[in-house]
Amino acid sequence: EPEVTQTPSHQVTQMGQEVILRCVPISNHLYFYWYRQILGQKVEFLVSFYNNEISEKSEIFDDQFSVERPDGSNFTLKIRSTKLEDSAMYFCASSENLGPNEQFFGPGTRLTVL
Amino acid sequence: GESVGLHLPTLSVQEGDNSIINCAYSNSASDYFIWYKQESGKGPQFIIDIRSNMDKRQGQRVTVLLNKTVKHLSLQIAATQPGDSAVYFCAENALNQAGTALIFGKGTTLSVSS
Repeated sequence: EPEVTQTPSHQVTQMGQEVILRCVPISNHLYFYWYRQILGQKVEFLVSFYNNEISEKSEIFDDQFSVERPDGSNFTLKIRSTKLEDSAMYFCASSENLGPNEQFFGPGTRLTVL
Repeated sequence: GESVGLHLPTLSVQEGDNSIINCAYSNSASDYFIWYKQESGKGPQFIIDIRSNMDKRQGQRVTVLLNKTVKHLSLQIAATQPGDSAVYFCAENALNQAGTALIFGKGTTLSVSS
């Protein structure tokens, strides 16, 4: 069964450092997403991406965040200068392109900012 | 703001009982709803979905009910098993379009004792 994969599973970084979280969406999917989940809280939408551009983003997704699809398989989330409050689980998801439909989630990357 | 939420943060049941997890949503424009299961340390896993032109949908041991009049969604799990222990989230697709954000509720933690 196809699945979304994410690397690394756990990333520890110092405050102010840049991090790049990586995702490989399901191969025939065209919509890609990043969500985050602060420990013990609900999953929050960050950004959606289609046709090599951002289609929607939340208030959380400020200028410190960027996304990229550098090749035909990877989808990345970059945080330029991490803050303590960026510590969270970051989930990548992907979906097909026909109407509202299931978004498949990856296992997540746990980001710890010290 | 508009949000999706759950009535109870925790639910404890005995193995073999039927479980009912509830969710209230406030966005009348939402027309697609999903239940996700999240086990510890993992990403949300799709359980079942329902579109607003339906009021009931059944899967394997699970049933989702949608009451658009009172903006209420429920997930029924028949013959609950220990492996069903997880956090359950309802989510809505806000704009009846592919590639848009899922809005998650806060989650209900289901604990199944044998």
